Amino acid sequence: NAGVMQNPRHLVRRRGQEARLRCSPMKGHSHVYWYRQLPEEGLKFMVYLQKENIIDESGMPKERFSAEFPKEGPSILRIQQVVRGDSAAYFCASSRLLETQYFGPGTRLLVL
Amino acid sequence: EDKVVQSPLSLVVHEGDTVTLNCSYEVTNFRSLLWYKQEKKAPTFLFMLTSSGIEKKSGRLSSILDKKELFSILNITATQTGDSAVYLCAVVRPIIQGAQKLVFGQGTRLTINP
Repeated sequence: NAGVMQNPRHLVRRRGQEARLRCSPMKGHSHVYWYRQLPEEGLKFMVYLQKENIIDESGMPKERFSAEFPKEGPSILRIQQVVRGDSAAYFCASSRLLETQYFGPGTRLLVL
Repeated sequence: EDKVVQSPLSLVVHEGDTVTLNCSYEVTNFRSLLWYKQEKKAPTFLFMLTSSGIEKKSGRLSSILDKKELFSILNITATQTGDSAVYLCAVVRPIIQGAQKLVFGQGTRLTINP
């Protein structure tokens, strides 16, 4: 049973470019969460999605960031016009309803 | 605002020592508290605590929750170098449509020296 998959594991972008981070939840999980971890800090909730629906995006910056979880395919976290402050590890977690969240290996984004 | 605070932020001990990591919280509609171990990659799940005073145990690790005083501790006995990691405490907070999000503390970086 494969765990939560994220790709790419490492992503380097120049300021102003777009970053696309992908997350495939564990089999049987229909709830996806994105968290961001800045250097030397804990994880901060960004957004919670179910298939084709954004349920809670209270932790997502209002501009440049968007997320989706289409009917088919992985969840995507998209960051437009990246800035240096976006450099962080982005973790995806998945769960069944009201059950433990399991984390993927993360995508480490570096903005030059 | 929801708050989860871990202490100490950093701890260095010798192999064989026992350590206690602390986590205090102020969260609306508390549901449960989780401990994760994070090495260089994904946080891996250790414990879920829902009820006060009931110790959860897994090998050399154990944890307990005090819902009256709003804190939890994670104990590791007879530490080994493989225990070196960041230990994250997270509180489960319900959100709409029956789902939940995790509110994390900043983590405790534990280093075990041989």
